[in-house]
Amino acid sequence: KNEVEQSPQNLTAQEGEFITINCSYSVGISALHWLQQHPGGGIVSLFMLSSGKKKHGRLIATINIQEKHSSLHITASHPRDSAVYICAVNSGNTPLVFGKGTRLSVIA
Amino acid sequence: KAGVTQTPRYLIKTRGQQVTLSCSPISGHRSVSWYQQTPGQGLQFLFEYFSETQRNKGNFPGRFSGRQFSNSRSEMNVSTLELGDSALYLCASSLQMNTEAFFGQGTRLTVV
Repeated sequence: KNEVEQSPQNLTAQEGEFITINCSYSVGISALHWLQQHPGGGIVSLFMLSSGKKKHGRLIATINIQEKHSSLHITASHPRDSAVYICAVNSGNTPLVFGKGTRLSVIA
Repeated sequence: KAGVTQTPRYLIKTRGQQVTLSCSPISGHRSVSWYQQTPGQGLQFLFEYFSETQRNKGNFPGRFSGRQFSNSRSEMNVSTLELGDSALYLCASSLQMNTEAFFGQGTRLTVV
């Protein structure tokens, strides 16, 4: 079974800072997902990637398949970015396996 | 385009009762997955349905069951509720299995 580790568990940043959240997994995957969860529970899919790099606005996700590692970067962070960021992976037809999440607080 | 709709949003039940949660996927999505989220265990996979067939099942007791209808709407049922079943139950839909998942707002179940 794939093990997914995220770091850091908690992160506090000042508005405008560049933020990096890391995700490592133990077994080869077919896709890695970055998810965002705001207080109240709803989850938003930010990225789904299997190689390289994707960018959406101020968010960038990268993955290194050989090293079994992915990073989520937030540029010019803003208080509205405060949320829990969750990494999840799946292999073939297996269901998603989730990391414990990184709780981000961005202070104005 | 409407998102994934879960009903009800909040639910309070008593130990021993049963509960049914509903999930309406995005139109055209045929895959529906259910997850349980608790502070201690995080997000855990319950089951996945595709075209009315259960394709995967997580490591949960038989009290947890689900089904998918021909219009792709899905329900999950928990019988003989226990205090430990208190959690946020999330549903996600996708076009096919293992494609990008879109999550609902969840149903927060409290068992007292």
